Amino acid sequence: EDQVTQSPEALRLQEGESSSLNCSYTVSGLRGLFWYRQDPGKGPEFLFTLYSAGEEKEKERLKATLTKKESFLHITAPKPEDSATYLCAVQGSVYNQGGKLIFGQGTELSVKP
Amino acid sequence: EAQVTQNPRYLITVTGKKLTVTCSQNMNHEYMSWYRQDPGLGLRQIYYSMNVEVTDKGDVPEGYKVSRKEKRNFPLILESPSPNQTSLYFCASISSGRVRTGELFFGEGSRLTVL
Repeated sequence: EDQVTQSPEALRLQEGESSSLNCSYTVSGLRGLFWYRQDPGKGPEFLFTLYSAGEEKEKERLKATLTKKESFLHITAPKPEDSATYLCAVQGSVYNQGGKLIFGQGTELSVKP
Repeated sequence: EAQVTQNPRYLITVTGKKLTVTCSQNMNHEYMSWYRQDPGLGLRQIYYSMNVEVTDKGDVPEGYKVSRKEKRNFPLILESPSPNQTSLYFCASISSGRVRTGELFFGEGSRLTVL
């Protein structure tokens, strides 16, 4: 069964204090791994797609990396506006004609000034 | 502005009273999907539609119905709501050619409470 586990559940950082969020996954035939950001009262907003181990993507203070078992979302010198819940999802290939994404439970990031 | 619009955003109802949550997108996307989000369980797919008149079950379809009569609209129907359908619901869409990118466009959510 395809599964995604994110850790930690919650992370509190001081402004400028870099850290990483973890996403461990098991999937039958990885088509892609995705990171989303979700602000309170909003729908998830797409950030990155990673397709194969070794791939990296960057956007402002965020950098996503992928191995065969996990992905990391590195946050460099975060600012309070980076506070949000970050969701990881995978898309497997076996029996997945519908393009379904399997989501983790998310990491709630809080960045204090 | 490209967007996915859901209505209502908030609803409190009682067990057994049929309700419909509407979803409309203005991006001419072929693929649309419904997810529910529950604490500790994350987002789970309820139903999806690859195009007009083409729908299929996701992981948690029990108690829900959908229809896709027009490309832009994908309503979620709860024929006889029960308390275990209390949840936050999201509609999402994407161009069928870009499904593998995972770049879903989500609506802002509909918070449903069934008493």
